[in-house]
This record gives sequence, structure tokens and C-alpha cells, in this order.
Amino acid sequence: QQKVQQSPESLIVPEGGMASLNCTFSDRNSQYFWWYRQHSGEGPKALMSIFSNGDKKEGRFTAHLNKASLHVSLHIKDSQPSDSALYFCAVWSNYNVLYFGSGTKLTVEP
Amino acid sequence: AQTIHQWPVAEIKAVGSPLSLGCTIKGKSSPNLYWYWQATGGTLQQLFYSITVGQVESVVQLNLSASRPKDDQFILSTEKLLLSHSGFYLCAWSPSSAETLYFGSGTRLTVL
Repeated sequence: QQKVQQSPESLIVPEGGMASLNCTFSDRNSQYFWWYRQHSGEGPKALMSIFSNGDKKEGRFTAHLNKASLHVSLHIKDSQPSDSALYFCAVWSNYNVLYFGSGTKLTVEP
Repeated sequence: AQTIHQWPVAEIKAVGSPLSLGCTIKGKSSPNLYWYWQATGGTLQQLFYSITVGQVESVVQLNLSASRPKDDQFILSTEKLLLSHSGFYLCAWSPSSAETLYFGSGTRLTVL
């Protein structure tokens, strides 16, 4: 069964700073990776996906994937207080089961 | 535009009582449907998925069952609640397999 671990558990960054979130997965056959964000009391929302090794940039968000080292990361540039939320890495297995990581709680301090 | 509606918003139930939660997806035909459970501040655990009407696959065993009686409706239920069933239940849909999941706003369940 796929195991998805995230670090750090929580992260505090100043407004305008860079937040870096990490995720490792266990199944070497994994192909499809997502980052989701969940604000308190709401359902998660997809931030971005990455399928190929390397970097993918969408606005202030950059995802990085290294399948050989079983690692995916998310970097948030110019962090805003509205970015404060729970962030989850998620990996599809067998196309119909999406495994979520343990989550990183990001707090952006004004 | 597609919309997903979950009901109820919150429930407080006694141990041993039955439960039925539901969600409806409008604006998308034949979506893939999913149920997830989340402990407070914790990770999301997939419980069930359904690719087509009448067919539901279980991912983990938690003394819960799910059904898809219509193309746009997904129901989660149990006949006897346990304390461990407390948490946040989320319904989600995707256009097809291995694509973006779109979540509902969830049902907060407290079992006493």
C-alpha cells in the first residue's frame, strides 16, 4: 500500500517569505502527484499537479518532482496570510485511490 | 459549472444509532465519486469510490457502507455508529480516474 509522508508537520513563515513543503512516497510506479490545500472547516482544493520529473510553476507556486528519490515538494513564493492552511501531498495509486500525506500546517504571519 | 452538495452539514449521534450521509453532483454526467474521512487536523483517508451507477468499491473497512443509487448521488451509511466514526466526512468527484478531485464542504459527525 502506498505510504505518503510529509514534512515539516507545521511551518511558520513571515509574510512575503518562501514556504517549502516536502513529501515522500513509497510506490516507485506512482505517476500522478497533486498538492491540495485545505482552509479550516472547508473541503480541500487542488492547487496543482505534476507528472514529470523537474519543476512546474504556476504563479507563486512551484512543484518539484524527483521520481528516482521518491520525492515531491511545493514552494510558495511571496507567502500571504491567506496562504495559511493545511497542505496535503497526494498520490494516485491504481488510478482510483488517491493517497494523501499527513499534511503540513502553514501559518503566514503578517 | 459543476456543483457538489453534501448533507447534512453536521450531525450529533449516539453510539449504536444508524447514519446516512449524502452528496449530489450537478452539471457533470457520469463522474467518478469518492468518500473520504478526516480526523480533526489529520490526513484524508479514502473510504470508497464509484466509477458507475450501482457499483461501489471499498478501500478500507470501517464498518461503513456506500451506495450510488443514481448517477449524481453517493450515499454513506452504517446501521450502528461507533465512537471511532467521529470526524469530518468529505464527498468528492473527478471527471475520470487519476484526475483532480473536487471536494464538497463536508459533514462534521460527532458520535457520543
